[in-house]
Amino acid sequence: GESVGLHLPTLSVQEGDNSIINCAYSNSASDYFIWYKQESGKGPQFIIDIRSNMDKRQGQRVTVLLNKTVKHLSLQIAATQPGDSAVYFCAENKGSGTYKYIFGTGTRLKVLA
Amino acid sequence: EPEVTQTPSHQVTQMGQEVILRCVPISNHLYFYWYRQILGQKVEFLVSFYNNEISEKSEIFDDQFSVERPDGSNFTLKIRSTKLEDSAMYFCASSAATGEGEQFFGPGTRLTVL
Repeated sequence: GESVGLHLPTLSVQEGDNSIINCAYSNSASDYFIWYKQESGKGPQFIIDIRSNMDKRQGQRVTVLLNKTVKHLSLQIAATQPGDSAVYFCAENKGSGTYKYIFGTGTRLKVLA
Repeated sequence: EPEVTQTPSHQVTQMGQEVILRCVPISNHLYFYWYRQILGQKVEFLVSFYNNEISEKSEIFDDQFSVERPDGSNFTLKIRSTKLEDSAMYFCASSAATGEGEQFFGPGTRLTVL
């Protein structure tokens, strides 16, 4: 069946260090992937996306890596800041006329001062 | 910066009552969505809406649920007879393009069914 899951429910990192949040997906038909950030009391906020024809995409302080061979997605945050503390979700979409995102369970990132 | 808005932020209702959750999507967006998130669980897709009709719905979206775009700006989710298990955060989202487009989420409505 379709599922997107995260390896670690909580990740604690020192301020200034790099963070890596991982995600496994099981639907090989998915061709679009997104990372969302959710702060307490707020809705998911788009961070970065990647299509299946790419392996890597960089944004401002964030990089998403896609490994289709092992169905793995990761989000790297450089120089983690206190404002990065939140829950991070990966989500997938099959495209081809389907509209829904399938979200993972979420990883809580805690930035330690 | 344009954003999706939702009202109310918190709705408390008795089991069996009808509730309507309201959303104002980003004005030039054409695709609209409802998701829900039960406390501590993942965000789950409910329904997508385009051109005044449902495009796709999940198994959660049964006959108790309905969506409507009553005018050019609002997008509503109605639950006809609420159950305890409907208690969750309900997120509205909109996108300019479906499938590969970013979906912009609202802040959510927390629904508590007593």
